[in-house]
Amino acid sequence: DSGVTQTPKHLITATGQRVTLRCSPRSGDLSVYWYQQSLDQGLQFLIQYYNGEERAKGNILERFSAQQFPDLHSELNLSSLELGDSALYFCASSKGGIQPQHFGDGTRLSIL
Amino acid sequence: SQQGEEDPQALSIQEGENATMNCSYKTSINNLQWYRQNSGRGLVHLILIRSNEREKHSGRLRVTLDTSKKSSSLLITASRAADTASYFCATEETSGSRLTFGEGTQLTVNP
Repeated sequence: DSGVTQTPKHLITATGQRVTLRCSPRSGDLSVYWYQQSLDQGLQFLIQYYNGEERAKGNILERFSAQQFPDLHSELNLSSLELGDSALYFCASSKGGIQPQHFGDGTRLSIL
Repeated sequence: SQQGEEDPQALSIQEGENATMNCSYKTSINNLQWYRQNSGRGLVHLILIRSNEREKHSGRLRVTLDTSKKSSSLLITASRAADTASYFCATEETSGSRLTFGEGTQLTVNP
């Protein structure tokens, strides 16, 4: 158990819809990272937050947004969903600095 | 885009044999990490090697890093069926920043 909790585990929805993925980091970790894993793109970094502030952006679409709340949990919002958004979305957390990232079990998003 | 390339893409061995996976990357890094992923599950951190280190051990794992060649290798000794998983290398360009993952090596250990 990594200590990172992601909900929901599975999400099935239709094109054009909007969903919210939630992540609770490990106790004491200030950094939260979001990654997308798909068969064609592999593991791609989306966005990082550190103690409530956006720290880095990767290949995140404009239809996607995220935030980190004062209690350090984070949400990833995906809107105007397309078939190609079907993927595993992972959240990871770390203390920052040269420390490993600890991953949740992911949310599997299926767009029908 | 992927930072690194892993070689081989797939590896099948017998229990008790050693498994070696290689990773190459393109930019300067702060550290390189190896992760393991069982099918459909989250990634589990295995080992982190800093850019000023050349070799690191953890149990049955041995990682080497050659920054002049921008490459790393992961050796799993005395493999077990439970080692069957995908193994990813990931580079971190600056401390505490994003990880850039390779495409992974699918390891199958046959009992």
